[in-house]
Amino acid sequence: ILNVEQSPQSLHVQEGDSTNFTCSFPSSNFYALHWYRWETAKSPEALFVMTLNGDEKKKGRISATLNTKEGYSYLYIKGSQPEDSATYLCAFAPTGFQKLVFGTGTRLLVSP
Amino acid sequence: DTEVTQTPKHLVMGMTNKKSLKCEQHMGHRAMYWYKQKAKKPPELMFVYSYEKLSINESVPSRFSPECPNSSLLNLHLHALQPEDSALYLCASSRLAGRSSSYNEQFFGPGTRLTVL
Repeated sequence: ILNVEQSPQSLHVQEGDSTNFTCSFPSSNFYALHWYRWETAKSPEALFVMTLNGDEKKKGRISATLNTKEGYSYLYIKGSQPEDSATYLCAFAPTGFQKLVFGTGTRLLVSP
Repeated sequence: DTEVTQTPKHLVMGMTNKKSLKCEQHMGHRAMYWYKQKAKKPPELMFVYSYEKLSINESVPSRFSPECPNSSLLNLHLHALQPEDSALYLCASSRLAGRSSSYNEQFFGPGTRLTVL
C-alpha cells in the first residue's frame, strides 16, 4: 500500500501571510509528483507536475520544491490572498503504474 | 476547450436502480480516469482507460461498470449499489496514455455527488 501524507491537515492564515505545506511520499519507485488546488464547488486544478530531484517550480505566488531521495515536496504560497483558500492535494505517481495516489490534502483558509 | 464535463451533478438512487454517470472531454486526451472520493478522504482511483481500452481496474466491485464509447466519452454504469457507495465520483483526463501519462497533469471534472438510499 502506497502512503502519501500531507501536513498540516488544515491551516488558517491572514491575508498577506506566507505559508507552506508538506507532502511525504515513498522515496523508492518515484516517477512523478503532482500538486493540485481544489476550490470548493469547483474541479481540482493542476498546479505542478514535478519529476526530477531538486526540481523547483513556480506559478505566480505559488512555488514547489521536490526531494525524491528523502520523499517529500513542499508547496509555498507567498503573500496569501483570500482567493488562495482551497484544499491543496499532492499525488504520487509510482514507477511502472499509470496511476496517481493522492494525499488527504491540506485545507487552507485565508482571512481578509 | 480545456474542460471536462460531468453529468449529472447530483444523483440519488435506490439500491435496485440502474443509472449511469457521464464524462466528456474534447481536448483530444488519450487517457481517462474514474475516481471515487469519500468525505475527508483523498480521491481513489477506480478505472483508467488508455486509447479507449480499459487498462486499469483497481479491484472495483462489478456493480460499477465503466465504458468508453469513443475517445471523448467515458461512462460509469451503476447497478445494485450499496449505501456505502455514496460518494463524489470524479472523472479526469490526461493528454498521454500509458506510463507517460503520469508525467501529464490530469484535468478533472466537477464530479457527480452520488447518494444511494
